[in-house]
Parts: sequence; C-alpha cells; structure tokens
Amino acid sequence: ETGVTQSPTHLIKTRGQQVTLRCSSQSGHNTVSWYQQALGQGPQFIFQYYREEENGRGNFPPRFSGLQFPNYSSELNVNALELDDSALYLCASSQDQISYEQYFGPGTRLTVT
Amino acid sequence: DQQVKQNSPSLSVQEGRISILNCDYTNSMFDYFLWYKKYPAEGPTFLISISSIKDKNEDGRFTVFLNKSAKHLSLHIVPSQPGDSAVYFCAASDNQAGTALIFGKGTTLSVSS
Repeated sequence: ETGVTQSPTHLIKTRGQQVTLRCSSQSGHNTVSWYQQALGQGPQFIFQYYREEENGRGNFPPRFSGLQFPNYSSELNVNALELDDSALYLCASSQDQISYEQYFGPGTRLTVT
Repeated sequence: DQQVKQNSPSLSVQEGRISILNCDYTNSMFDYFLWYKKYPAEGPTFLISISSIKDKNEDGRFTVFLNKSAKHLSLHIVPSQPGDSAVYFCAASDNQAGTALIFGKGTTLSVSS
C-alpha cells in the first residue's frame, strides 16, 4: 500500500510569486485535504476535494486554490505569495468524503522571502 | 478564537509510567475526535479516534477518554516508551466543511529512559 506523497519537499519563493504544490493520495483514497501548519501551531484546514469537486473550505483567501485529478492526486496553488504564507503545507487523504480519519503526507516546506 | 485547545505545551514522563495528554474544545457540534502524533520532518500520523457517542476507545497502549459535559478529552499512553516522544495533536470535526479537522497547537511529549 502506497502512502501519501508530496512534492517538492522544500521550496523558496519570492513575495508576489505563484507556487504549485503536489500530492498523491494513498491508494484506495478518493478524498484529499490540504492544511497549512505555521511554526508552533497546529495544522489549519485550507480545503478538501472529493472526486474532483471542492467539498469544504476553511478561512483562506481565494488566492489559495486547488485541483483534484481523476486519479485523485491533487494540487494546491497559491498566487501573490505573502511572507505569512511561509509554512509547512500538508496533504491528507481519506477513503471517502465521510471518513474522518485522514492520513498525512510528509509535507512541503514553503519559505517566502 | 481557538476551538480546540491543548493547554500544556510540553509533558515529561519516565519510561514505563503513564502519559496523559489533555485537550479541551468549545464547539458542542464536534462529533468526532482524533489524536495524531508527529515526529520532526514527518507528517502527522493517525493514532486513535473516538466518536461523540462513546466515552472511551482503546487500542493497545493508547486509550482516549471523552467527557462531553466538560468538553474535554484525554489520551492515555500506558506504558510510555522512549519512541513515544513526539508532538501530539488533538483534532476534532463537526462535518461542516466536509470532514475538515480542527487541530490544537500540540503537546510535546518527552519520555526518558
């Protein structure tokens, strides 16, 4: 069974730039959620995708957007990067849209300078 | 306003003793609770969960207790092992934004041998 994978591991961007982060869900899982974890904080929910449709969204501005593909992999796009966007971005997959138990990838560390 | 609170940033326990990690919540609509463990440079790992219709769930050395009237849950680890040293996150969901998880800030557990 393949776990959740994310790429890249680390990324450095400049304020105002755009970034795309990628996630492959665990085999057999069709739901993907994205979280932002700032230093010293718990993960904060960004949005969730189920079968290529957004299934819920947290309190993040529209410049945070996502996609889910037919193979259930997913992308997180952030436009007009700000310094406060520097964080660990975590992707989690679950078996379906009613399953609370989510399985996380190792994360992408984004630094905005 | 933080809906899930872990008021102890850290906890130190000797090997073989019991570790008790606490979590308080404010949203009475939460219907599912989870505990995750996180090692440095890894994503959170699912440990154990409990539905709001139960007051206890046990899995090996890990037991979660839920007190709905007090809006409090706790994770007991018995016996504690050095490999349990990690950051522990309490999370909850009210099924309002898909199965989005609301996390606490975490408690760092150190188990000494």
